[in-house]
Amino acid sequence: KNQVEQSPQSLIILEGKNCTLQCNYTVSPFSNLRWYKQDTGRGPVSLTIMTFSENTKSNGRYTATLDADTKQSSLHITASQLSDSASYICVVSSVLYSGGGADGLTFGKGTHLIIQP
Amino acid sequence: NAGVTQTPKFQVLKTGQSMTLQCAQDMNHEYMSWYRQDPGMGLRLIHYSVGAGITDQGEVPNGYNVSRSTTEDFPLRLLSAAPSQTSVYFCASSNIYSNQPQHFGDGTRLSIL
Repeated sequence: KNQVEQSPQSLIILEGKNCTLQCNYTVSPFSNLRWYKQDTGRGPVSLTIMTFSENTKSNGRYTATLDADTKQSSLHITASQLSDSASYICVVSSVLYSGGGADGLTFGKGTHLIIQP
Repeated sequence: NAGVTQTPKFQVLKTGQSMTLQCAQDMNHEYMSWYRQDPGMGLRLIHYSVGAGITDQGEVPNGYNVSRSTTEDFPLRLLSAAPSQTSVYFCASSNIYSNQPQHFGDGTRLSIL
């Protein structure tokens, strides 16, 4: 069964510090990996999408990495700000619409990040 | 550019009542989908559509109906609400190509008493 595991479940850091969130997956075949940010009371917003051939992709202070061989991804947040407090969701897409949900997407449960002043 | 708009934002129902959650997008996206989000669980797919007139079931379709008469609208109907359907419901849309991000609405928070 296709699965996406995220760690840690929750994380508290001080404003200005860096942090790294992890995503391990068993989805096969692999099409792309997405990171979303979900603010409290809002819908998820896409941060990055990476295909098999991409190792790193940045979006401002957010940098995602992908190791397709070990099926691991990380999201690194640099110089955290209070506005980074949110849940971060890793989503893996399979090429064939046969794994996870019927639309080929398997969602992680998310990492809840709290930035303290 | 409104993106994906969901209404209502909040709703309380009694067991057995029916209602329709509305979803509209203005990006001319072919693909639209409905998810539910429950505490401690990832988003789970309820129903999806790859274009007007075409719908299919997702992971947790029981108790829900959908239709897609236009590209823009994709309503979700609860036939006879049950407490187990208390959840936050998200509608999403995207270009049909798999490397495109999904755009989510801000959700409908539904409580069934």
